Amino acid sequence: AQSVSQHNHHVILSEAASLELGCNYSYGGTVNLFWYVQYPGQHLQLLLKYFSGDPLVKGIKGFEAEFIKSKFSFNLRKPSVQWSDTAEYFCAVKPPAGGYQKVTFGIGTKLQVIP
Amino acid sequence: EAGVTQFPSHSVIEKGQTVTLRCDPISGHDNLYWYRRVMGKEIKFLLHFVKESKQDESGMPNNRFLAERTGGTYSTLKVQPAELEDSGVYFCASSRNPVNAGTAYGYTFGSGTRLTVV
Repeated sequence: AQSVSQHNHHVILSEAASLELGCNYSYGGTVNLFWYVQYPGQHLQLLLKYFSGDPLVKGIKGFEAEFIKSKFSFNLRKPSVQWSDTAEYFCAVKPPAGGYQKVTFGIGTKLQVIP
Repeated sequence: EAGVTQFPSHSVIEKGQTVTLRCDPISGHDNLYWYRRVMGKEIKFLLHFVKESKQDESGMPNNRFLAERTGGTYSTLKVQPAELEDSGVYFCASSRNPVNAGTAYGYTFGSGTRLTVV
């Protein structure tokens, strides 16, 4: 069974600081990888995804993530965070297309950006 | 298009009572998923409907949970009787195509229902 580990459960940064949130997964085959974000009071939204191709994926709002297959990692990065990035971030994996497959989420990382 | 709608947004009930959560998917989305997040834990899959049929209910914790999707439109998740450990946030998601979660036709999540059992 697949699983996802997010190493940082609560991160506090000042505005303009750089961000990196760790995500490792365990699954024996090819995977699709996602980062979701939930802003306070809002629904879960897709931030970025990796299916295949360039392992460096650009998402919305200046976020990016790098898939490193050898490390089973998909870390999320942003060079300079803003107060509006305060939210909870979830890494998720899913086996690729080929029939129904459910998404497995990590525990989430709460990011607090201090103005 | 309108998003996935869930209500109530919050519910506080006593142990032993019954609660029904509702999810209205995006119109035209045949696939509807329920997930749950218990405090401090990861978001876990509960079940998946394709139209009105249960495709996968492997994540349902026990027989106190009953999900329905009559007519293949909205879905309800009933907890009867509720226990303290049922507290958490219940998310619903819908999609057009079950294999492409994350694409333009992938999962769209609702805001969740926060259930507190006291």
